[in-house]
Amino acid sequence: QSVLTQPPSASGTPGQRVTISCSGSSSNIGSNTVNWYQQLPGTAPKLLIYSNNQRPSGVPDRFSGSKSGTSASLAISGLQSEDEADYYCAAWDDSLNFVVFGGGTKLTVL
Amino acid sequence: QVQLQESGPGLVKPSQTLSLTCTVSGGSISSGDYYWSWIRQPPGKGLEWIGYIYYSGSTYYNPSLKSRVTISVDTSKNQFSLKLSSVTAADTAVYYCARVCPGVGWGYDYWGQGTLVTVSS
Repeated sequence: QSVLTQPPSASGTPGQRVTISCSGSSSNIGSNTVNWYQQLPGTAPKLLIYSNNQRPSGVPDRFSGSKSGTSASLAISGLQSEDEADYYCAAWDDSLNFVVFGGGTKLTVL
Repeated sequence: QVQLQESGPGLVKPSQTLSLTCTVSGGSISSGDYYWSWIRQPPGKGLEWIGYIYYSGSTYYNPSLKSRVTISVDTSKNQFSLKLSSVTAADTAVYYCARVCPGVGWGYDYWGQGTLVTVSS
């Protein structure tokens, strides 16, 4: 069982907007920034969002992140077929003293 | 362009030690600007942080693995390594090495392609 809780699956049709939630606690999301990773099938994860809502160079602005209290969200607008992947949130946990990941959300583009 | 490449045996017997090396190209581990990490992913499951190392040799480990894990660095070869002792089938996973960038929220901005290590007799 992961320290950060994500829904196991999400889906949407092309062009739609989908959001993926990540729930934590005061020791992780509540006191540290959240990063999001995209893992396409058979590949290594890729940094998608850092520091809650910042996009690394090259990441389309269709991807956005937000954080409120002990929860964070990843939003994908204008959904495309190539967005079909697993998405993971991550944060440092001050109580456990290591990086904790969410269990991952498998996004299906219908 | 920074690249990371994992190398090591793909099959390890139970109770033995898993050893992997990550070779970094396109950038120097000795720059001191980054940390270097190992992360693993059991087949069909999520990501698990193993630990990280700084060029100076300072390390930080996942407490649940700390008694079995050693991460080391060889700046002369621009490599860092992972040793995991007393492995069991539960240690079967794809092992990734990754660069930790403080400038992007301590995110992992570069990853190796990953290497599958199977623990089996």
